[in-house]
Amino acid sequence: GESVGLHLPTLSVQEGDNSIINCAYSNSASDYFIWYKQESGKGPQFIIDIRSNMDKRQGQRVTVLLNKTVKHLSLQIAATQPGDSAVYFCAVSWSGGGADGLTFGKGTHLIIQP
Amino acid sequence: NAGVMQNPRHLVRRRGQEARLRCSPMKGHSHVYWYRQLPEEGLKFMVYLQKENIIDESGMPKERFSAEFPKEGPSILRIQQVVRGDSAAYFCASSTLAALSAGNTIYFGEGSWLTVV
Repeated sequence: GESVGLHLPTLSVQEGDNSIINCAYSNSASDYFIWYKQESGKGPQFIIDIRSNMDKRQGQRVTVLLNKTVKHLSLQIAATQPGDSAVYFCAVSWSGGGADGLTFGKGTHLIIQP
Repeated sequence: NAGVMQNPRHLVRRRGQEARLRCSPMKGHSHVYWYRQLPEEGLKFMVYLQKENIIDESGMPKERFSAEFPKEGPSILRIQQVVRGDSAAYFCASSTLAALSAGNTIYFGEGSWLTVV
Protein backbone atom coordinates (compact mmCIF):
# COMPACT_ATOMS: atom_id res chain seq x y z
CA GLY A 1 0.00 0.00 0.00
CA GLU A 2 0.87 3.64 0.04
CA SER A 3 1.22 6.09 2.87
CA VAL A 4 1.60 9.78 2.35
CA GLY A 5 2.78 12.24 4.94
CA LEU A 6 3.51 15.91 5.20
CA HIS A 7 6.31 17.41 7.18
CA LEU A 8 4.41 20.28 8.75
CA PRO A 9 0.73 20.53 9.68
CA THR A 10 0.91 24.34 9.68
CA LEU A 11 3.07 26.80 7.78
CA SER A 12 2.95 30.54 8.40
CA VAL A 13 4.53 32.93 5.91
CA GLN A 14 4.53 36.65 5.28
CA GLU A 15 2.50 37.95 2.37
CA GLY A 16 4.75 38.28 -0.62
CA ASP A 17 7.22 35.63 0.52
CA ASN A 18 7.63 32.27 -1.15
CA SER A 19 6.14 29.15 0.44
CA ILE A 20 7.38 25.61 0.26
CA ILE A 21 5.13 22.75 1.31
CA ASN A 22 6.61 19.27 1.52
CA CYS A 23 5.24 15.77 1.16
CA ALA A 24 6.76 12.31 1.49
CA TYR A 25 5.41 9.08 0.10
CA SER A 26 6.31 5.49 0.75
CA ASN A 27 5.64 3.51 -2.42
CA SER A 28 8.50 3.76 -4.88
CA ALA A 29 6.14 2.54 -7.61
CA SER A 30 3.96 5.66 -7.28
CA ASP A 31 3.95 7.42 -10.60
CA TYR A 32 1.47 10.27 -10.52
CA PHE A 33 1.33 13.11 -8.04
CA ILE A 34 -1.14 15.92 -7.55
CA TRP A 35 -1.34 18.94 -5.31
CA TYR A 36 -4.75 20.12 -4.17
CA LYS A 37 -5.82 23.27 -2.36
CA GLN A 38 -8.77 23.13 -0.02
CA GLU A 39 -10.38 26.21 1.40
CA SER A 40 -12.59 26.02 4.43
CA GLY A 41 -15.94 24.43 3.66
CA LYS A 42 -15.02 23.61 0.08
CA GLY A 43 -13.82 20.68 -1.94
CA PRO A 44 -10.21 20.08 -2.99
CA GLN A 45 -9.19 22.19 -5.95
CA PHE A 46 -6.61 20.89 -8.40
CA ILE A 47 -3.45 23.01 -8.48
CA ILE A 48 -0.79 21.14 -10.38
CA ASP A 49 0.29 17.60 -11.14
CA ILE A 50 3.44 15.80 -12.14
CA ARG A 51 4.24 12.39 -13.51
CA SER A 52 7.15 10.26 -12.40
CA ASN A 53 9.06 10.81 -15.65
CA MET A 54 9.53 14.45 -14.67
CA ASP A 55 11.25 16.10 -11.71
CA LYS A 56 9.89 19.60 -12.06
CA ARG A 57 6.80 21.26 -13.42
CA GLN A 58 5.76 24.87 -13.31
CA GLY A 59 2.41 26.56 -13.35
CA GLN A 60 1.27 30.05 -12.62
CA ARG A 61 3.12 31.02 -9.42
CA VAL A 62 3.44 27.36 -8.46
CA THR A 63 6.15 24.81 -9.01
CA VAL A 64 6.11 21.15 -8.10
CA LEU A 65 9.36 19.30 -7.53
CA LEU A 66 9.63 15.54 -7.42
CA ASN A 67 12.58 13.66 -5.97
CA LYS A 68 11.99 9.99 -6.61
CA THR A 69 15.24 8.97 -4.97
CA VAL A 70 14.06 10.05 -1.55
CA LYS A 71 10.34 9.82 -2.38
CA HIS A 72 9.74 13.47 -1.72
CA LEU A 73 7.43 15.97 -3.33
CA SER A 74 7.21 19.70 -2.78
CA LEU A 75 4.96 22.56 -3.79
CA GLN A 76 6.46 25.99 -4.11
CA ILE A 77 4.18 29.03 -4.19
CA ALA A 78 5.81 32.26 -5.28
CA ALA A 79 4.85 35.65 -3.85
CA THR A 80 2.12 34.31 -1.61
CA GLN A 81 -1.12 36.24 -1.45
CA PRO A 82 -3.94 36.24 1.11
CA GLY A 83 -5.99 34.09 -1.24
CA ASP A 84 -3.39 31.36 -0.93
CA SER A 85 -4.48 30.69 2.65
CA ALA A 86 -5.85 27.16 2.64
CA VAL A 87 -4.98 23.57 3.43
CA TYR A 88 -2.75 21.98 0.82
CA PHE A 89 -2.81 18.25 0.19
CA CYS A 90 -0.51 16.12 -1.85
CA ALA A 91 -2.08 13.07 -3.45
CA VAL A 92 -0.29 10.08 -4.88
CA SER A 93 -1.32 7.41 -7.31
CA TRP A 94 0.21 4.16 -8.46
CA SER A 95 -0.90 2.82 -11.82
CA GLY A 96 -0.29 -0.73 -10.71
CA GLY A 97 -2.35 -0.28 -7.61
CA GLY A 98 -5.70 -0.80 -9.20
CA ALA A 99 -8.49 1.69 -9.46
CA ASP A 100 -8.47 3.00 -5.93
CA GLY A 101 -8.04 6.61 -6.80
CA LEU A 102 -5.57 8.70 -4.89
CA THR A 103 -3.90 8.41 -1.51
CA PHE A 104 -3.90 11.73 0.28
CA GLY A 105 -1.63 13.17 2.90
CA LYS A 106 -3.10 14.90 5.93
CA GLY A 107 -2.55 18.40 4.66
CA THR A 108 -0.55 21.51 5.51
CA HIS A 109 -2.45 24.58 6.60
CA LEU A 110 -0.82 27.59 4.95
CA ILE A 111 -1.37 30.83 6.85
CA ILE A 112 -0.50 34.11 5.20
CA GLN A 113 0.55 36.86 7.59
CA PRO A 114 -0.13 40.44 6.41
CA ASN B 1 -14.33 21.87 -8.90
CA ALA B 2 -16.61 23.16 -11.60
CA GLY B 3 -19.05 20.56 -12.82
CA VAL B 4 -19.07 17.92 -10.07
CA MET B 5 -22.32 18.51 -8.25
CA GLN B 6 -23.05 17.15 -4.83
CA ASN B 7 -26.17 17.40 -2.75
CA PRO B 8 -27.16 17.98 -0.13
CA ARG B 9 -24.30 20.23 0.95
CA HIS B 10 -25.25 19.79 4.59
CA LEU B 11 -27.23 16.99 6.13
CA VAL B 12 -28.19 16.37 9.74
CA ARG B 13 -29.35 12.95 10.80
CA ARG B 14 -30.21 11.38 14.11
CA ARG B 15 -28.46 8.19 15.14
CA GLY B 16 -30.09 5.22 13.44
CA GLN B 17 -31.44 7.14 10.46
CA GLU B 18 -30.30 6.78 6.88
CA ALA B 19 -28.22 9.27 4.95
CA ARG B 20 -28.21 9.51 1.17
CA LEU B 21 -25.62 11.60 -0.59
CA ARG B 22 -25.80 12.30 -4.29
CA CYS B 23 -23.16 13.10 -6.84
CA SER B 24 -23.46 14.09 -10.47
CA PRO B 25 -20.07 13.87 -12.23
CA MET B 26 -18.69 16.41 -14.63
CA LYS B 27 -20.13 16.25 -18.09
CA GLY B 28 -18.41 13.54 -20.06
CA HIS B 29 -17.00 11.81 -16.98
CA SER B 30 -17.97 8.22 -16.47
CA HIS B 31 -15.84 7.45 -13.42
CA VAL B 32 -16.87 8.44 -9.92
CA TYR B 33 -14.94 8.26 -6.66
CA TRP B 34 -16.16 8.82 -3.12
CA TYR B 35 -13.87 10.03 -0.36
CA ARG B 36 -14.46 10.76 3.31
CA GLN B 37 -12.74 13.50 5.25
CA LEU B 38 -12.74 13.64 9.01
CA PRO B 39 -11.95 16.95 10.75
CA GLU B 40 -8.26 17.89 10.48
CA GLU B 41 -7.61 14.83 8.31
CA GLY B 42 -6.86 14.13 4.69
CA LEU B 43 -9.28 12.47 2.34
CA LYS B 44 -9.71 8.71 2.60
CA PHE B 45 -10.71 6.71 -0.44
CA MET B 46 -13.97 4.82 -0.08
CA VAL B 47 -15.19 3.54 -3.42
CA TYR B 48 -14.68 3.84 -7.15
CA LEU B 49 -17.53 3.29 -9.59
CA GLN B 50 -18.25 3.35 -13.25
CA LYS B 51 -21.74 3.33 -14.67
CA GLU B 52 -23.60 0.35 -13.18
CA ASN B 53 -20.39 -1.14 -11.79
CA ILE B 54 -18.50 -0.96 -8.55
CA ILE B 55 -14.86 -1.24 -9.53
CA ASP B 56 -13.15 -0.92 -6.15
CA GLU B 57 -14.82 -0.64 -2.76
CA SER B 58 -11.78 -1.47 -0.68
CA GLY B 59 -12.18 1.71 1.37
CA MET B 60 -15.81 1.21 2.24
CA PRO B 61 -16.79 0.01 5.71
CA LYS B 62 -18.16 -3.51 5.45
CA GLU B 63 -21.45 -2.70 7.06
CA ARG B 64 -24.04 0.05 6.65
CA PHE B 65 -22.32 1.73 3.67
CA SER B 66 -23.21 1.19 0.05
CA ALA B 67 -22.73 3.02 -3.21
CA GLU B 68 -24.20 2.87 -6.65
CA PHE B 69 -23.86 4.65 -9.97
CA PRO B 70 -26.88 3.74 -12.08
CA LYS B 71 -27.12 3.99 -15.81
CA GLU B 72 -29.28 7.07 -15.42
CA GLY B 73 -28.98 9.59 -12.65
CA PRO B 74 -26.40 10.49 -10.05
CA SER B 75 -24.15 8.30 -7.99
CA ILE B 76 -25.54 7.63 -4.51
CA LEU B 77 -23.61 6.99 -1.32
CA ARG B 78 -25.93 5.47 1.23
CA ILE B 79 -25.25 5.16 4.93
CA GLN B 80 -27.73 3.15 6.94
CA GLN B 81 -28.25 3.39 10.68
CA VAL B 82 -25.86 6.29 11.02
CA VAL B 83 -23.72 6.67 14.11
CA ARG B 84 -21.88 9.72 15.43
CA GLY B 85 -18.62 8.45 13.98
CA ASP B 86 -20.09 8.82 10.50
CA SER B 87 -20.05 12.60 10.91
CA ALA B 88 -17.67 13.81 8.25
CA ALA B 89 -17.41 15.54 4.93
CA TYR B 90 -18.03 13.23 1.99
CA PHE B 91 -16.49 14.22 -1.30
CA CYS B 92 -17.26 12.93 -4.72
CA ALA B 93 -14.83 13.20 -7.59
CA SER B 94 -15.02 12.27 -11.24
CA SER B 95 -12.68 11.63 -14.12
CA THR B 96 -12.81 10.72 -17.77
CA LEU B 97 -10.63 7.66 -17.43
CA ALA B 98 -9.43 5.49 -14.60
CA ALA B 99 -5.79 5.73 -15.54
CA LEU B 100 -4.70 8.42 -13.13
CA SER B 101 -1.09 7.84 -13.95
CA ALA B 102 -1.82 8.87 -17.52
CA GLY B 103 -2.56 12.30 -16.21
CA ASN B 104 -6.30 12.06 -16.08
CA THR B 105 -6.87 14.13 -13.02
CA ILE B 106 -9.89 13.61 -10.85
CA TYR B 107 -11.93 16.67 -10.02
CA PHE B 108 -13.80 17.09 -6.78
CA GLY B 109 -17.20 18.41 -5.86
CA GLU B 110 -17.81 20.79 -2.98
CA GLY B 111 -18.70 17.98 -0.60
CA SER B 112 -21.59 16.93 1.58
CA TRP B 113 -21.21 17.57 5.30
CA LEU B 114 -22.98 14.94 7.36
CA THR B 115 -23.66 15.61 11.02
CA VAL B 116 -25.08 12.84 13.16
CA VAL B 117 -26.75 13.98 16.36
